[in-house]
Amino acid sequence: QKEVEQNSGPLSVPEGAIASLNCTYSDRGSQSFFWYRQYSGKSPELIMFIYSNGDKEDGRFTAQLNKASQYVSLLIRDSQPSDSATYLCAVNLGGNNRLAFGKGNQVVVIP
Amino acid sequence: SAVISQKPSRDICQRGTSLTIQCQVDSQVTMMFWYRQQPGQSLTLIATANQGSEATYESGFVIDKFPISRPNLTFSTLTVSNMSPEDSSIYLCSVFPGTYGYTFGSGTRLTVV
Repeated sequence: QKEVEQNSGPLSVPEGAIASLNCTYSDRGSQSFFWYRQYSGKSPELIMFIYSNGDKEDGRFTAQLNKASQYVSLLIRDSQPSDSATYLCAVNLGGNNRLAFGKGNQVVVIP
Repeated sequence: SAVISQKPSRDICQRGTSLTIQCQVDSQVTMMFWYRQQPGQSLTLIATANQGSEATYESGFVIDKFPISRPNLTFSTLTVSNMSPEDSSIYLCSVFPGTYGYTFGSGTRLTVV
């Protein structure tokens, strides 16, 4: 089992709709969870982090964490064409501050 | 927030040669990491650069191929040695703590011909 899995294929959403991304992880000891956005040819940019079970909202983004089920999700509300990018889920492994990344989900927002 | 300067931004190298990538941070950071992102793939951690001691390598990566230096709390280098076309990737340094946790440099796009 991979440490961090993002299994959904490319996601196309109409402008103004909600994009939903999911991520599961294998290490029950993980404490910190991150969502990065990566535009083509650019380095990853942190958009959300979450440490506690439940929801965390920041503008149009909501991260949801369920440690019992070992999944973390990202919702993008009112999707904009500028949200078109690859979204990477990252998990802090154990207690040594190493980050493991999922393979990413490409989001395409259609005007 | 930490600002990272990574260079070179890109390079085209001959197989069998080596390239050293530099990562300079504008503030002292506890931890620095080196990642590789192969075309169309996600990020894979190469190693953790430890200040004052040898780097800690992930499975599949060895010091002879990817020697790392970390002479102080603001600087690190990654060398890609004896390059082959399979080493063509984007190499990224990351620091912790950065901005809200982990911050990435702008990356080095390496092409080996």
